[in-house]
Amino acid sequence: SQELEQSPQSLIVQEGKNLTINCTSSKTLYGLYWYKQKYGEGLIFLMMLQKGGEEKSHEKITAKLDEKKQQSSLHITASQPSHAGIYLCGADNPGTYKYIFGTGTRLKVLA
Amino acid sequence: NAGVTQTPKFQVLKTGQSMTLQCAQDMNHNSMYWYRQDPGMGLRLIYYSASEGTTDKGEVPNGYNVSRLNKREFSLRLESAAPSQTSVYFCASSEVHQPQHFGDGTRLSIL
Repeated sequence: SQELEQSPQSLIVQEGKNLTINCTSSKTLYGLYWYKQKYGEGLIFLMMLQKGGEEKSHEKITAKLDEKKQQSSLHITASQPSHAGIYLCGADNPGTYKYIFGTGTRLKVLA
Repeated sequence: NAGVTQTPKFQVLKTGQSMTLQCAQDMNHNSMYWYRQDPGMGLRLIYYSASEGTTDKGEVPNGYNVSRLNKREFSLRLESAAPSQTSVYFCASSEVHQPQHFGDGTRLSIL
C-alpha cells in the first residue's frame, strides 16, 4: 500500500526565516494535496499538484512536485507567526475513492 | 459559504453510551468521508461514501456505523462508546481526485 512520509515532524523557526517541509511517497503520486491545520481546527486546502515538475505558489508558500512524482516540498519564504500550525500532505489513492495522508509537520514560528 | 458543517463540536460520553455525529455539506459533492485524528497517527479513514446510497469501510471501522442520509448528509454513529474512541473526528467531502474539504471537527472524550 502507498504511504506518505513527512519530514521534519516538527519545526521551530524564527520569524522571517525560510523553511521547507517534505513529503515522500512510496509510489508514484497522481494527485498531491497540501493542507494546513491550525491548532484545534479543521484542515484548510492550500494547493494541489498533479504533473511532474509542477510548481504552485500562494502568497509566501510554494509547493513543488518532483519530476518522478514521488516527492513534494512545501517552502515558506519569510515565515510569520500566522504560518504556524500543522501542515499535512495528502494524495489520491489510485483506483479508489480514498485518500492517504502524511502524519503532518508541526510548525512553530517565534516572533 | 458554509462548506462542511459538523455537529456537535465537543462531546463527553460515558463508556457504553451511544451517539451520532452529524455532517452536512453544501458543495454538491458526491463523496463524503469520516476520519479520526489521534496524536502521532495522522488521519485515519473510518468510513466513506463514494456516492449517495453507498458506504464502505475504511481502515478503522470497528465500533462505528454510518448512514448516507442523502447527498448532503453523512452521519457517524458510535453504538457503545469505548475510551479508545476518544479522538477528534473530521468529516470531509470531495469529488473524486479533487481536494477534500473538511469540517471543523468534533472533539469527543469518552470516560
